[in-house]
Amino acid sequence: SQQGEEDPQALSIQEGENATMNCSYKTSINNLQWYRQNSGRGLVHLILIRSNEREKHSGRLRVTLDTSKKSSSLLITASRAADTASYFCATDAWAGGFKTIFGAGTRLFVKA
Amino acid sequence: EPEVTQTPSHQVTQMGQEVILRCVPISNHLYFYWYRQILGQKVEFLVSFYNNEISEKSEIFDDQFSVERPDGSNFTLKIRSTKLEDSAMYFCASSQQGSTEAFFGQGTRLTVV
Repeated sequence: SQQGEEDPQALSIQEGENATMNCSYKTSINNLQWYRQNSGRGLVHLILIRSNEREKHSGRLRVTLDTSKKSSSLLITASRAADTASYFCATDAWAGGFKTIFGAGTRLFVKA
Repeated sequence: EPEVTQTPSHQVTQMGQEVILRCVPISNHLYFYWYRQILGQKVEFLVSFYNNEISEKSEIFDDQFSVERPDGSNFTLKIRSTKLEDSAMYFCASSQQGSTEAFFGQGTRLTVV
């Protein structure tokens, strides 16, 4: 299986703190993506990092990728209550087109 | 910005009924996908579709499921005889030729009662 697996499964922090979520995967990838999902809602694409990139920033988000360890991390700085959601990492695999393989996600709860 | 659109956003159906979930992929995309997410679980790949045929399907995609591109814009997922366990969020996605990045729709929540 090439699934990305996140840890922790759940994370509870205070508003203003940083939140770090980790993802590991098993086989080689072209890119790795992070998504956010509010409870029962759609997937919001946060950031894509390519296999030849090591770090990428977008606003309060910082993503790192270590292909030698087959791992990635998502850091949300200065968290807000509105960041409360599930966060998924996703890798790609060829399926006659590149299908997206999602991990089980980290449920982040930011307390106001 | 072009986006993948799905209709309806929420569908309630009786067990045993047929449902069709609809998707309009981004217009210049050639690869199409359906995914499923049972409440509280991860998003699972169902099927990929290219050149008017299924490229790959998962073990979830059994004979009760079918996909179709009936015209130049729509991509549909049909469930012939729904079961309670088909209740889930269904996501459609599309991608360009040679691209590893897929664009997801907002999903259709299917509730089977």
